Amino acid sequence: GAVVSQHPSRVICKSGTSVKIECRSLDFQATTMFWYRQFPKKSLMLMATSNEGSKATYEQGVEKDKFLINHASLTLSTLTVTSAHPEDSSFYICSADGQGGNYGYTFGSGTRLTVV
Amino acid sequence: GQQVMQIPQYQHVQEGEDFTTYCNSSTTLSNIQWYKQRPGGHPVFLIQLVKSGEVKKQKRLTFQFGEAKKNSSLHITATQTTDVGTYFCAGRTTDSWGKLQFGAGTQVVVTP
Repeated sequence: GAVVSQHPSRVICKSGTSVKIECRSLDFQATTMFWYRQFPKKSLMLMATSNEGSKATYEQGVEKDKFLINHASLTLSTLTVTSAHPEDSSFYICSADGQGGNYGYTFGSGTRLTVV
Repeated sequence: GQQVMQIPQYQHVQEGEDFTTYCNSSTTLSNIQWYKQRPGGHPVFLIQLVKSGEVKKQKRLTFQFGEAKKNSSLHITATQTTDVGTYFCAGRTTDSWGKLQFGAGTQVVVTP
């Protein structure tokens, strides 16, 4: 089945630094990937839709300059959290439609970001 | 905008019992998907419902899509400890460009 690889799984960074999270589709091409943020015991909040070769589409209230998304190839999307602050600490997870409409989306394993 | 509401948010079940989680959308959905997220893990796709009134079964799990395509339910019979996790419904409308709107999830705890 479709596999989405997400790295790193955990990262701790200092306030003010930037962190890049990678999401790769291993055995399929993903023209679109979705980036979510999840707080403890909460639902997944869609942050943005990453489109290969074009600008990402951000959800209302998500700062595009804060959360930079790049989808340079059909198998790689990256999310960069710039000038991170403690309130950016969260679980970030990507997903892609790997097998066509009837099989749902495949999620990466997520990245636990802690900003200290 | 589209809202997907899910209840209950928390379900404590005795092993062997049945339970149901419900999902309601403020708008008509083109389809609804269900995912399971184990503690510390990521969401894993369970099923997709597309047709009005559709019912699908996966072993002890029964999924229903309402006639108006605005609500859905997941019923689990004879709960096992392996059913522990959070179950999310996620709805998609025809104009949402593939985006899924997730419900808040039902966190299921199973007591042996």
